Amino acid sequence: QVQLQESGPGLVKPSQTLSLTCTVSGGSISSGGYYWSWIRQHPGKGLEWIGYIYYSGSTYYNPSLKSRVTISVDTSKNQFSLKLSSVTAADTAVYYCARWTTRIRLFDYWGQGTLVTVSS
Amino acid sequence: DIQMTQSPSTLSASVGDRVTITCRASQSISSWLAWYQQKPGKAPKLLIYKASSLESGVPSRFSGSGSGTEFTLTISSLQPDDFATYYCQQYNSYSLTFGGGTKVEIK
Repeated sequence: QVQLQESGPGLVKPSQTLSLTCTVSGGSISSGGYYWSWIRQHPGKGLEWIGYIYYSGSTYYNPSLKSRVTISVDTSKNQFSLKLSSVTAADTAVYYCARWTTRIRLFDYWGQGTLVTVSS
Repeated sequence: DIQMTQSPSTLSASVGDRVTITCRASQSISSWLAWYQQKPGKAPKLLIYKASSLESGVPSRFSGSGSGTEFTLTISSLQPDDFATYYCQQYNSYSLTFGGGTKVEIK
């Protein structure tokens, strides 16, 4: 059973960079056929896809966030990470990591989510 | 970007009711549509993929249909565990978007 777990600071100051890591267990991040993804949900709102990465390092980002987002992968640690720069209060959200299955194009495993608050 | 318009945004229903949620895409997405259920404080859970395929372990009262730009999620007989928020999600050319969500409330 694949499990994903987000980790990182719960509080980030405005204009700084938000950094989160997702640790994958129960399966190898280097398995083909999956993209490793970040999704966020503003308080009381819907879901917003941030981007995803293949184990080889290929990335795809939401165009609305692309200029501020970097997703990277560390296959040796079975982890992938999110960096979101120049954050504002509008970036306050629950951040989820999830596995995207390319063959049938869905998110099948999710982390529990972590709330990141942007505030001074 | 492909926009997904989900309706209604809120739905009040009783146990046993048949419930239908609609999702419309701003352009054709073939059948690359999934439905998720989310309960408060929890991650979304996959219900339906490729528009009409039921995820393993999901009760058969859930069904999906549609292709192109119009899709529906139907719950044939609403159960107490089904009160939640439902999201559609489309995939097209390495980009994906979610619908705005439908909250199913107790009437």
